[in-house]
Amino acid sequence: QSALTQPASVSGYPGQSITISCTGTSSDVGGHNYVSWYQQHPGKAPQLMIYDVTNRPSGVSNRFSGSKSGNTASLTISGLQAEDETDYYCSSYMSSGTWVFGGGTKLTVL
Amino acid sequence: QITLKESGPTLVKPTQTLTLTCTLSGLSLSTSGVGVGWVRQPPGKALEWLAHIYWDDDKSYSPSLKSRLTITRDTSKKQVVLRMTNMDPVDTATYFCVRTSYYDLGNSCFDYWGQGTLVTVSS
Repeated sequence: QSALTQPASVSGYPGQSITISCTGTSSDVGGHNYVSWYQQHPGKAPQLMIYDVTNRPSGVSNRFSGSKSGNTASLTISGLQAEDETDYYCSSYMSSGTWVFGGGTKLTVL
Repeated sequence: QITLKESGPTLVKPTQTLTLTCTLSGLSLSTSGVGVGWVRQPPGKALEWLAHIYWDDDKSYSPSLKSRLTITRDTSKKQVVLRMTNMDPVDTATYFCVRTSYYDLGNSCFDYWGQGTLVTVSS
């Protein structure tokens, strides 16, 4: 299984919206609705932000949303804030009972 | 409150076997639907899933590392142990313990993470 493809970096101004893509194949992202997104601040453990493509865990801001079209999933952050500047990873759970992560995206708030 | 805490050596030599322990608090691996596993992250690089074990002792492994990995559980001690053989400098990484729960957010996502433990492979 190959890693999912994410852009290395994205950027946006405070208050704007940005979208991070996560591209896989019909065997992972496109095959089911088991895509999740994680936020990771430097030196910290990742935190779950979105699961099953569109669901937000309790306590996660509604500025974070997820979607999927074909083999590409997306994380959208609206009303960008300085605290959103960090790394984001997508992940797909597969029918084989295994997981694959994306290469990570660094978000810069300009 | 659910917490996971990793422990193990900070330094191992090439070719040695790494043994890491994840100690659970606030949850039990004998509870139906619960799974605990491992994810690692080399310095400055991406996350990589390694292995997972479930309440019913079902196990899954990364296909690329399967021959080197063994995951086991001790429900009485509330611990999950990962063994990785034939360590190499490229295995230098922070190793995280993670949880899944079918009856909470489902089996597909890691809703709790340990703080991670950095393992360096060097002679």
